[in-house]
Amino acid sequence: ILNVEQSPQSLHVQEGDSTNFTCSFPSSNFYALHWYRWETAKSPEALFVMTLNGDEKKKGRISATLNTKEGYSYLYIKGSQPEDSATYLCFSVGSASKIIFGSGTRLSIRP
Amino acid sequence: DAGITQSPRHKVTETGTPVTLRCHQTENHRYMYWYRQDPGHGLRLIHYSYGVKDTDKGEVSDGYSVSRSKTEDFLLTLESATSSQTSVYFCAISEGLAGSTDTQYFGPGTRLTVL
Repeated sequence: ILNVEQSPQSLHVQEGDSTNFTCSFPSSNFYALHWYRWETAKSPEALFVMTLNGDEKKKGRISATLNTKEGYSYLYIKGSQPEDSATYLCFSVGSASKIIFGSGTRLSIRP
Repeated sequence: DAGITQSPRHKVTETGTPVTLRCHQTENHRYMYWYRQDPGHGLRLIHYSYGVKDTDKGEVSDGYSVSRSKTEDFLLTLESATSSQTSVYFCAISEGLAGSTDTQYFGPGTRLTVL
């Protein structure tokens, strides 16, 4: 993988359900993986940064894992709420501080 | 919220005219970045700065220039705007280089339309 790919592109989830989505990134020359949350009409806000294989981070109902050997990260949301509706962006940092953003997963929560 | 402002917030201009976007920060962060956001592309780095008068190119730098004469200001200039530069432009700052574990803080964005 040369680019950062996020899947799915969009997701509709019933309120109260849990969900997860994926960020795939180049595993060679990997340095760090960042997750951001981007609400409509606002600026992206940092969620997590991970560097080590097996890293797990958690913030409230949102958590993330990292697999640097196979080049993917999962973001999990437990018990989705309407305020979780947003686009979730990841970007990877490789050698020479090269930053590559994914195109995001747009999450909509149905009440 | 990090103290980042962008001006103007919206601009409509004609092909061939010069355009300058301004990013201003009050956090005294060393690193500043300009991104463009287009449907299907997420965010793409245009240029970044690692100090006063120190700048470098990102992945989509063609047609853009930048300047940083003060820590708090980072200017993005389109010397001769083209319709392909219609986009939403985001400024970001970080204490350390974003190509690390440092968090980036984003400005509110500038919507630029080139007719």
